[in-house]
Amino acid sequence: AQSVTQLGSHVSVSEGALVLLRCNYSSSVPPYLFWYVQYPNQGLQLLLKYTTGATLVKGINGFEAEFKKSETSFHLTKPSAHMSDAAEYFCAVTPQNYNKLIFGAGTRLAVHP
Amino acid sequence: DAGVIQSPRHEVTEMGQEVTLRCKPISGHNSLFWYRQTMMRGLELLIYFNNNVPIDDSGMPEDRFSAKMPNASFSTLKIQPSEPRDSAVYFCASTFGGDTEAFFGQGTRLTVV
Repeated sequence: AQSVTQLGSHVSVSEGALVLLRCNYSSSVPPYLFWYVQYPNQGLQLLLKYTTGATLVKGINGFEAEFKKSETSFHLTKPSAHMSDAAEYFCAVTPQNYNKLIFGAGTRLAVHP
Repeated sequence: DAGVIQSPRHEVTEMGQEVTLRCKPISGHNSLFWYRQTMMRGLELLIYFNNNVPIDDSGMPEDRFSAKMPNASFSTLKIQPSEPRDSAVYFCASTFGGDTEAFFGQGTRLTVV
């Protein structure tokens, strides 16, 4: 069965610091991988996704993530945090042959001055 | 397109009452998902439809919950009878294909008193 583990339910960084949000997945076959962001009282919106091809993917708002098959990881990074990045971030997977989107528990990112 | 539209945005009801949540997916999308979000359990997939057919309802918590998709442009999630523990934000999402972005509605915040 597919599953997603996000390490750290809360992450706090200073403005301008590196953002690193961790995601590991469990899957018998390489899945499609996604990062979504949720701002307060909003639905989720896609930051970036990995399906095939280049393992380093770039998304909106300066975020990027790298698919590492050997580590079953898909960590999200941003070189320099902005105050506007404060939100909850969800990693998600879906099997390539099955259209079921499974989310991790989420990581709440706080950015302080 | 206006995106995924959910109604109502907020619902307060008394325990034992029937509650119906509604969702209009994006035109042309062939998969629709219902999620429930709570602080304790995070984002849970309740059920998903592909081409209007329920494919996986293993996340539906109990028989009090039911979902329908009578056509490609409309879905409902019904809770009868409702209980206080059903209080949560319910999201609907739609997508076209497993490797494509899922678009989320704004959610329905349900409070059962």
